[in-house]
Amino acid sequence: LAKTTQPISMDSYEGQEVNITCSHNNIATNDYITWYQQFPSQGPRFIIQGYKTKVTNEVASLFIPADRKSSTLSLPRVSLSDTAVYYCLVGAAGANNLFFGTGTRLTVIP
Amino acid sequence: GAGVSQSPSNKVTEKGKDVELRCDPISGHTALYWYRQSLGQGLEFLIYFQGNSAPDKSGLPSDRFSAERTGGSVSTLTIQRTQQEDSAVYLCASSLAASGRAGEQYFGPGTRLTVT
Repeated sequence: LAKTTQPISMDSYEGQEVNITCSHNNIATNDYITWYQQFPSQGPRFIIQGYKTKVTNEVASLFIPADRKSSTLSLPRVSLSDTAVYYCLVGAAGANNLFFGTGTRLTVIP
Repeated sequence: GAGVSQSPSNKVTEKGKDVELRCDPISGHTALYWYRQSLGQGLEFLIYFQGNSAPDKSGLPSDRFSAERTGGSVSTLTIQRTQQEDSAVYLCASSLAASGRAGEQYFGPGTRLTVT
């Protein structure tokens, strides 16, 4: 089971770029890396998914080194509304491969 | 289109009573997941349904917990003889389980269960 390790919390000022790194030393060949965002009293929301190198969408970028033992979620120019918990998941098809963990609580400061 | 819906949104029950939580996934999604989230904690996987295959029950915490999915759509999570430690938010998610990778999961708003 490819568990993940993330910082428990991070603080950032508005307008800054935020990078959240996730370690997944036991990642398997078939595993993808997925990040979710969760606001209080809501279910998690998909942000981005990747397998290797770099993936970018309208809200974030995901950097994955060649060994795939870690990944970094990059949020450009964060705003107060980005205050949330961010989860890194590693797994392939089948829920028994998915482990949400406790996530990283990001607090954006004015 | 409609997202994942869950009912009830809140449930208060007495210790020892049975409860049923309902999840309506997004139409056409073949995979359905149940998670539990205690206050301030991460998500704990409970059970997973994929199409008509037998469910993966590896996350169920005890035999008081069971779930079924009728007709590959609506799912019900049942907790028998509830205990205070069952108090949590129960989240349901569905996805198009793409071949070879875990599909993007769409979560419902959750059911907040309080056992008194």
